[in-house]
Amino acid sequence: RKEVEQDPGPFNVPEGATVAFNCTYSNSASQSFFWYRQDCRKEPKLLMSVYSSGNEDGRFTAQLNRASQYISLLIRDSKLSDSATYLCVVTPSGSARQLTFGSGTQLTVLP
Amino acid sequence: EPEVTQTPSHQVTQMGQEVILRCVPISNHLYFYWYRQILGQKVEFLVSFYNNEISEKSEIFDDQFSVERPDGSNFTLKIRSTKLEDSAMYFCASNLETQYFGPGTRLLVL
Repeated sequence: RKEVEQDPGPFNVPEGATVAFNCTYSNSASQSFFWYRQDCRKEPKLLMSVYSSGNEDGRFTAQLNRASQYISLLIRDSKLSDSATYLCVVTPSGSARQLTFGSGTQLTVLP
Repeated sequence: EPEVTQTPSHQVTQMGQEVILRCVPISNHLYFYWYRQILGQKVEFLVSFYNNEISEKSEIFDDQFSVERPDGSNFTLKIRSTKLEDSAMYFCASNLETQYFGPGTRLLVL
């Protein structure tokens, strides 16, 4: 079983749409959770950390369900600039800081 | 805003040659990492470095790989004898809390 699993997409949505991405992780003792975005041929950039209580940053909302080992990202009012690959990332238990990446979900926002 | 820098941006080399990829982490960061991403695949952890020594490494990071912090600013990844399958984007990262990634070096082994 993959450590971090995501639906690869692609998701093609019109501007203004709401889109949700899901992610599951296999290590129940994982410590920290993040969503990164990666533009084509660029480096991953932190979008937001994910907390058990859920957190919101503008149009982005992230949720964590530790019991189900499930992470989600909701993007409201999609913009053309949101087009990217969204990477679900966890820090495994026992590891100080290394990041374990999912394969990513590709989003294209269409005009 | 401070950023992680990497050189070169692109490197083409012949199989069996040694390459050194260079990184300048953010100056007050304490933890340094190398990751790689083969085209079309996920980002994979290679090695972490703290207090002038390797703190963790993945199974990918075999004897062909080494890391060094030769001075107070640079952090290097050396591949001793490159293989075709080493062709990938190599990202350096550093952090206090949040990991920031450099723009990457695209390595092509022919």
